[in-house]
Amino acid sequence: DQQVKQNSPSLSVQEGRISILNCDYTNSMFDYFLWYKKYPAEGPTFLISISSIKDKNEDGRFTVFLNKSAKHLSLHIVPSQPGDSAVYFCAASAISGNQFYFGTGTSLTVIP
Amino acid sequence: KAGVTQTPRYLIKTRGQQVTLSCSPISGHRSVSWYQQTPGQGLQFLFEYFSETQRNKGNFPGRFSGRQFSNSRSEMNVSTLELGDSALYLCASSPRTSGRDGETQYFGPGTRLLVL
Repeated sequence: DQQVKQNSPSLSVQEGRISILNCDYTNSMFDYFLWYKKYPAEGPTFLISISSIKDKNEDGRFTVFLNKSAKHLSLHIVPSQPGDSAVYFCAASAISGNQFYFGTGTSLTVIP
Repeated sequence: KAGVTQTPRYLIKTRGQQVTLSCSPISGHRSVSWYQQTPGQGLQFLFEYFSETQRNKGNFPGRFSGRQFSNSRSEMNVSTLELGDSALYLCASSPRTSGRDGETQYFGPGTRLLVL
């Protein structure tokens, strides 16, 4: 049972525009969320996180929004750059748990 | 500080064989988690080790096992390989326990296993 879902397998965006990647979760106990970026032949690298006490966290061009009532989070990248082309995974964990649950990933392509 | 290292990077085995993968966490990290990544399935959690003890286990058959040594290095073993075990196996480390106190995991590059 997939507790974290990324329903868009792929996304294409023009360079300079906004990229919005979405993630939904089903477990209301999740209280910590992360986004990872993965290039081919490399392991995922941590991008940004958000705790459930916040609804927004910003780091440079990357902003994560959390809507707890909808059990939905999104990652905004503004402006998008060709180097952002990668697979993005969202992940969630519960303070009472010992593992992260990952989505299936969204492949972002930023077109120059 | 060196990152998470995994060996080997690529491996080809045949059905029925067994395989052992190795992971060296970031120095000072005591938690090591293993994941299987296949197309369309994302990252599936296998197990987590902390101080040589398995603390959590995902929904995988008993053919998948692991262990952690006193220096926090970890190995993962898959016995009686099946075609469906072909995947990228990722190891991740964190200072204490993954998922607690907002900790982040740091991933290695993975071992790509192909079962023929």
